[in-house]
Amino acid sequence: QQPVQSPQAVILREGEDAVINCSSSKALYSVHWYRQKHGEAPVFLMILLKGGEQMRHEKISASFNEKKQQSSLYLTASQLSYSGTYFCGTENTGFQKLVFGTGTRLLVSP
Amino acid sequence: GAVVSQHPSRVICKSGTSVKIECRSLDFQATTMFWYRQFPKQSLMLMATSNEGSKATYEQGVEKDKFLINHASLTLSTLTVTSAHPEDSSFYICSALVVDTEAFFGQGTRLTVV
Repeated sequence: QQPVQSPQAVILREGEDAVINCSSSKALYSVHWYRQKHGEAPVFLMILLKGGEQMRHEKISASFNEKKQQSSLYLTASQLSYSGTYFCGTENTGFQKLVFGTGTRLLVSP
Repeated sequence: GAVVSQHPSRVICKSGTSVKIECRSLDFQATTMFWYRQFPKQSLMLMATSNEGSKATYEQGVEKDKFLINHASLTLSTLTVTSAHPEDSSFYICSALVVDTEAFFGQGTRLTVV
């Protein structure tokens, strides 16, 4: 079953922060986060493994709550380049395949 | 990082014809590759898992006779859309998933069936 993301869409002014959530109905082994621009392949942001620590890449960080089967992506001091659609991808325990969430469209305006 | 090359990037075909999409791992061997389909403004939906030397594993609701997957070598997986119809028009993309790290994607193929 496909992970559910919230919100579905968000509009930010440059410099504002945002949080994107990803929730799964199944036990998770790992959570990936990707950003996709229109017509392009997804671009990897980070991976969170079961039992791992919160990850950070520049002004983007993410957390993984294994008990709640949830992950959150934190975008701080957003930049225009952050615009795109964000997807979480989940690997369920025992299944080596990546299932993508419903997606969150982010628009950062000047 | 690992490189996955997908061809063609765009293809237009007539209804009823078949189209083959190739996905190559250029600098590593991929025993498993994944095929996704993405309709406009929607998520990437996993279609099937391609296994080198054995039959592909299809997700529920995906017609295996329509979407033929062949993984004849450790560096090449192909997806053939047979008897294509306008509703098959979509963005198809392959990926290789490396254990405990990211999924490496091909560039994607925009298929238009007219």
